[in-house]
Amino acid sequence: EVQLVESGGGLVKPGGSLRLSCAASGFTFSSYSMNWVRQAPGKGLEWVSSISSSSSYIYYADSVKGRFTISRDNAKNSLYLQMNSLRAEDTAVYYCAREREVYDILTGYSFRWFDPWGQGTLVTVSS
Amino acid sequence: DIQMTQSPSSLSASVGDRVTITCRASQSISSYLNWYQQKPGKAPKLLIYAASSLQSGVPSRFSGSGSGTDFTLTISSLQPEDFATYYCQQSYSTPEFTFGPGTKVDIK
Repeated sequence: EVQLVESGGGLVKPGGSLRLSCAASGFTFSSYSMNWVRQAPGKGLEWVSSISSSSSYIYYADSVKGRFTISRDNAKNSLYLQMNSLRAEDTAVYYCAREREVYDILTGYSFRWFDPWGQGTLVTVSS
Repeated sequence: DIQMTQSPSSLSASVGDRVTITCRASQSISSYLNWYQQKPGKAPKLLIYAASSLQSGVPSRFSGSGSGTDFTLTISSLQPEDFATYYCQQSYSTPEFTFGPGTKVDIK
C-alpha cells in the first residue's frame, strides 16, 4: 500500500523553527517528485514547496521563500521541511504529497497531479 | 501568476441530486486541471486529473470536463459519502500548483 506519514508538527513561538518529516512506503520513493501543501485552519489549500526525485530541482511559494527548506533522503524514503523564522500565518496542517506525472505527447508538457497525500501534521505558531 | 476561482463557494443538495461545480482559470491552462475531494479532518483525495481522467478507484458518478479556462466537476447522483469540499488545481504553470478556493457540498 502506498503510504505517506508526516510527523514533527507542534506548537512553536513566532521566530522559532520546526522540522517536518514525511515517511514514504509502498512505492519507489526515489522515482518521484514530492511536494508540501498546507492548509490554514478553516481555509483552502496552498502549495508550499516541491523537490524533484534527485533533488536537482527545488521550488518554493513566495510566502515561504528564504525561510523554509525542502530536502529528501532517498536512502531513508523520507521527505523533510525545515521551517525557520516561523510566523503566525504559517499556522496550518502541513501535508506531503507524491507528484504523479504523465507526458503529453501532443504538447510536449506533462500532466501533473498529487496522489496520494499524507494525513497531515499540525503546526501552530503562537506565543 | 494563474488565479483559480470556483463557483459556487458552497451548495446544499440532496442525495440523488446531480451536482455541478465550476472552476475557472485566469488564463488558458489547456487541460492541466485536477480535482480533489476533502472531508473534514482528512487529507485531500484525487478524483480527476488532466481535466477529465477519472482516478482509479473513484466512482464513475464523478466526471470532469472542460479545457482552456473553464472546467466542470459533475457528480451525477449525489451519495451520502460525497458531502465534502472540492478543490480544483492547475498544473499548467508548475511548479506553482495553484488551488481554487474550494466548494463545500452539504446536505439540504
